[in-house]
Amino acid sequence: DAGVTQSPTHLIKTRGQQVTLRCSPISGHKSVSWYQQVLGQGPQFIFQYYEKEERGRGNFPDRFSARQFPNYSSELNVNALLLGDSALYLCASSLGELGRGSSGNTIYFGEGSWLTVV
Amino acid sequence: DAKTTQPPSMDCAEGRAANLPCNHSTISGNEYVYWYRQIHSQGPQYIIHGLKNNETNEMASLIITEDRKSSTLILPHATLRDTAVYYCIVRPYGGATNKLIFGTGTLLAVQP
Repeated sequence: DAGVTQSPTHLIKTRGQQVTLRCSPISGHKSVSWYQQVLGQGPQFIFQYYEKEERGRGNFPDRFSARQFPNYSSELNVNALLLGDSALYLCASSLGELGRGSSGNTIYFGEGSWLTVV
Repeated sequence: DAKTTQPPSMDCAEGRAANLPCNHSTISGNEYVYWYRQIHSQGPQYIIHGLKNNETNEMASLIITEDRKSSTLILPHATLRDTAVYYCIVRPYGGATNKLIFGTGTLLAVQP
């Protein structure tokens, strides 16, 4: 079975431009989240979506936005790119909301999209 | 801030067991311990998780102390391909949130 897939794998943008990153979750997973990983640091949570609704947001500016589609795939958009936005952007998926007592909501990550802003 | 503390780096000889410690002294009764690893330039890979009992799967074993304030991830026979940054994370039990708080992790270097 396919894991979490992301595209593109690498891209270079100029300061001030906009970028869209795409993610397809594992089949059957309804929850998608996005993380930013700057070189030398652990991943930082940006957004979580479940059933097309935002369920969580990290400490990122409004230049960052996301959405989830009816097929549970997701896009992350970053406007007005800054040099500091250069990072590995990770998408993760899980089954979604489960009742209490279940530990089956493991989160799985894709390989990421490397964004370089010049 | 991350609720876990890990040594920044460890070495292990190939073929030997790698024991990676994690301190989570402020863990709540409703939080699981999760382990992920990240091989250079790849996405984090799920390894194992547990609540209070020891757990084992095809990748590793997880030993959680009785008071749940610390745990150890054990790779029974480390190979060069196990060289990676290992992250220990606490996460709410039955949680629907996908917000994982990563610390700095432990860089495990497996030596030939």
